[in-house]
Amino acid sequence: KQEVTQIPAALSVPEGENLVLNCSFTDSAIYNLQWFRQDPGKGLTSLLLIQSSQREQTSGRLNASLDKSSGRSTLYIAASQPGDSATYLCAVKSGGGADGLTFGKGTHLIIQP
Amino acid sequence: GAVVSQHPSRVICKSGTSVKIECRSLDFQATTMFWYRQFPKQSLMLMATSNEGSKATYEQGVEKDKFLINHASLTLSTLTVTSAHPEDSSFYICSAMYRAQETQYFGPGTRLLVL
Repeated sequence: KQEVTQIPAALSVPEGENLVLNCSFTDSAIYNLQWFRQDPGKGLTSLLLIQSSQREQTSGRLNASLDKSSGRSTLYIAASQPGDSATYLCAVKSGGGADGLTFGKGTHLIIQP
Repeated sequence: GAVVSQHPSRVICKSGTSVKIECRSLDFQATTMFWYRQFPKQSLMLMATSNEGSKATYEQGVEKDKFLINHASLTLSTLTVTSAHPEDSSFYICSAMYRAQETQYFGPGTRLLVL
């Protein structure tokens, strides 16, 4: 059974810093991996999706990498801003088609002004 | 595009009553819809997968007679929590997928509180 772990569970940094969030998964046979943002009491906003054949994806100040063989992904946030404060979730899709996602518990990020 | 809505956004009910949550894909036809549950400080857990016109597939440990799922059309799926108890209090989120894209689009979630 696929398990997804995110480290750290919480992180608080001053505004402007670059930071890295980590995600690991136990079964490397994945279809894709996705990073989401969740604001308190809200739904999910998709940030980046990496297909199993890809190594990284970039969107603005965000960069996500994938090392499928070692079961790891990182989300890099450059020049962090207070508006980046949220919980960041990593999710893995194990198969193609109508498979659900397996989520980590998330990293609760606070960017101090 | 690819907007998914949920209704209600928040519901409070008494123990023993049933609650229905709707999930709608507003601008696309969803061949598959998923229901997830999130307890405080926990990850989202997949409860069930439903395909239009067929019975839902439930994850291990999820009672199908307690969590009734109906996917009657390509734009609507409903989750009914029957005989709700306080331990069912949680954040329920649906997602919808269009087959060709294989990307799940998430709704805003429904906060259920059972007293």
